[in-house]
Amino acid sequence: DAKTTQPPSMDCAEGRAANLPCNHSTISGNEYVYWYRQIHSQGPQYIIHGLKNNETNEMASLIITEDRKSSTLILPHATLRDTAVYYCIVRVASGATNKLIFGTGTLLAVQP
Amino acid sequence: GAVVSQHPSWVICKSGTSVKIECRSLDFQATTMFWYRQFPKQSLMLMATSNEGSKATYEQGVEKDKFLINHASLTLSTLTVTSAHPEDSSFYICSAAEAGGTGELFFGEGSRLTVL
Repeated sequence: DAKTTQPPSMDCAEGRAANLPCNHSTISGNEYVYWYRQIHSQGPQYIIHGLKNNETNEMASLIITEDRKSSTLILPHATLRDTAVYYCIVRVASGATNKLIFGTGTLLAVQP
Repeated sequence: GAVVSQHPSWVICKSGTSVKIECRSLDFQATTMFWYRQFPKQSLMLMATSNEGSKATYEQGVEKDKFLINHASLTLSTLTVTSAHPEDSSFYICSAAEAGGTGELFFGEGSRLTVL
């Protein structure tokens, strides 16, 4: 699986949009981009994933560049409860047996 | 989304004893489950892939005789830390994907092990 690069930490004001970048310059054509987050002392929570088109769900939006070498997770209106470590992971296809390898992630601190 | 439950949520044991952690998929069947370990302020490290009805596949550097994994049914995988030592104290997390599903992995709440 391709590696990803994320900034170690970011701050965001409550109510503002949080934009979390991720570089995955060696991504392969059949690899998806997944985003998970982990609130302190809890298991990771799935946020969103995509292949090449932009995706949106009730939690966030995922913007993938045309060359697929980078992506941005957008939390449109960050709240204090969004403070967590956000992991960007690339993973082959969508098979149930394909493991997720976590990098170091970005610690997002939402400030009141 | 689908629910994965771990038990116990936390456990304290004496050095030298063995501890079993259960991972259950509550509303779906999972032919494959994954076990992770996480030390304080570090990321999740994949330990092994648990396959229903067959032997687990361990990541490099993970002792299979130390961390016994059993996946006896489509909804249950267990991790046993044998002869635990203080350095085994960690947060253990499992995940599973629904057989035949989209491949999205669902994670348990984690189990915190403290070895005295």
